[in-house]
Amino acid sequence: DTAVSQTPKYLVTQMGNDKSIKCEQNLGHDTMYWYKQDSKKFLKIMFSYNNKELIINETVPNRFSPKSPDKAHLNLHINSLELGDSAVYFCASSHTTSGGPGGEQFFGPGTRLTVL
Amino acid sequence: AQSVTQLDSQVPVFEEAPVELRCNYSSSVSVYLFWYVQYPNQGLQLLLKYLSGSTLVKGINGFEAEFNKSQTSFHLRKPSVHISDTAEYFCAVSVGSSASKIIFGSGTRLSIRP
Repeated sequence: DTAVSQTPKYLVTQMGNDKSIKCEQNLGHDTMYWYKQDSKKFLKIMFSYNNKELIINETVPNRFSPKSPDKAHLNLHINSLELGDSAVYFCASSHTTSGGPGGEQFFGPGTRLTVL
Repeated sequence: AQSVTQLDSQVPVFEEAPVELRCNYSSSVSVYLFWYVQYPNQGLQLLLKYLSGSTLVKGINGFEAEFNKSQTSFHLRKPSVHISDTAEYFCAVSVGSSASKIIFGSGTRLSIRP
């Protein structure tokens, strides 16, 4: 099926650990995103990559490092996890034409991260 | 700077009743507007979007929204809701010339009572 997939779906870990979340899209899109959704459902963009280049980097601690090995993948690595990192992380992708309106963003199912 | 305000955090309605979810935006430039729906324990799914043209936009599942530039609003409506419409609804605005960045509102939880 064509979609945006994320692994793992659930991630429970201890404070101070390092973890990664993987994202893949097979929609042929050129732009990928990471969002964080907190316990109050507030959704905030963290990063965006267009053709493997970082184009959006919101105010995110540098413990968070996105990596895009190719256009179809955007992984999120988090160092020294803290309690406040507990949230649901969503990956998304879209096809964005230069100078034109953004296309629909397709979201993955989310990864629920719990830091103990 | 662009922003999106969803005035109601929760909207309870009875099944088969009409519903309107309110959204206001602020922007000094042309905007592109979206409504996304998030069903429990799932990712977001696009309901509809306004890019240009007709101000009345029809989406999936019987939803529609009207772009009102003078009131800077993009309210979402459905004439008759079903239990299956229970979800979180997010209004969003895209920014920038490439419009690749989307700013989401805080969401409105729609709960349907039988």
